[in-house]
Amino acid sequence: DAGVTQSPTHLIKTRGQQVTLRCSPISGHKSVSWYQQVLGQGPQFIFQYYEKEERGRGNFPDRFSARQFPNYSSELNVNALLLGDSALYLCASSRDLRSYEQYFGPGTRLTVT
Amino acid sequence: DQQVKQNSPSLSVQEGRISILNCDYTNSMFDYFLWYKKYPAEGPTFLISISSIKDKNEDGRFTVFLNKSAKHLSLHIVPSQPGDSAVYFCAASSGVSGSARQLTFGSGTQLTVLP
Repeated sequence: DAGVTQSPTHLIKTRGQQVTLRCSPISGHKSVSWYQQVLGQGPQFIFQYYEKEERGRGNFPDRFSARQFPNYSSELNVNALLLGDSALYLCASSRDLRSYEQYFGPGTRLTVT
Repeated sequence: DQQVKQNSPSLSVQEGRISILNCDYTNSMFDYFLWYKKYPAEGPTFLISISSIKDKNEDGRFTVFLNKSAKHLSLHIVPSQPGDSAVYFCAASSGVSGSARQLTFGSGTQLTVLP
């Protein structure tokens, strides 16, 4: 079975631009979470989506938004990029909202110049 | 305010010996704890978990111990192998009914197993 997939692998953007990152969960998993990992730190929770609804949000500004599609795939959007948004963005899938085990994709490395 | 702390940024161990990675937490609402392993350019890989109602969980070479009164958990790897060299993250999950089960991560420990 395919694991969590993310695209693109790498991305370079300029300050002020907008970016969209994509994630496909493990087959049969209905919940998708997004995390940001900056160098030297652990992943930090951004959003969780379940059945196309936002069910949790971390301490991130409104420039960050996401959505989930009927096939459970998800997009993370970041507007008005700042240099500090440079990070590895990780998508994790879990079977349902209450599952504590989350399985991560390889991530998208975003560099903002 | 770091709710999950891994105070050792790095650990070196000889092949075949035991590796012990430590993690402390502050939030009493956490009810599941997980360990992930991360290689460069890959996402974190789930290793092992433990419920807050247990004090030990074992899976092959990996054992996680939980000391709830001390708010401390540890991951033991026996015997350590060179392929275990990676960054290990401790993560905690809290389960408020109806809400998301977000993971709170520590900052990671780089384990190096020397041949």
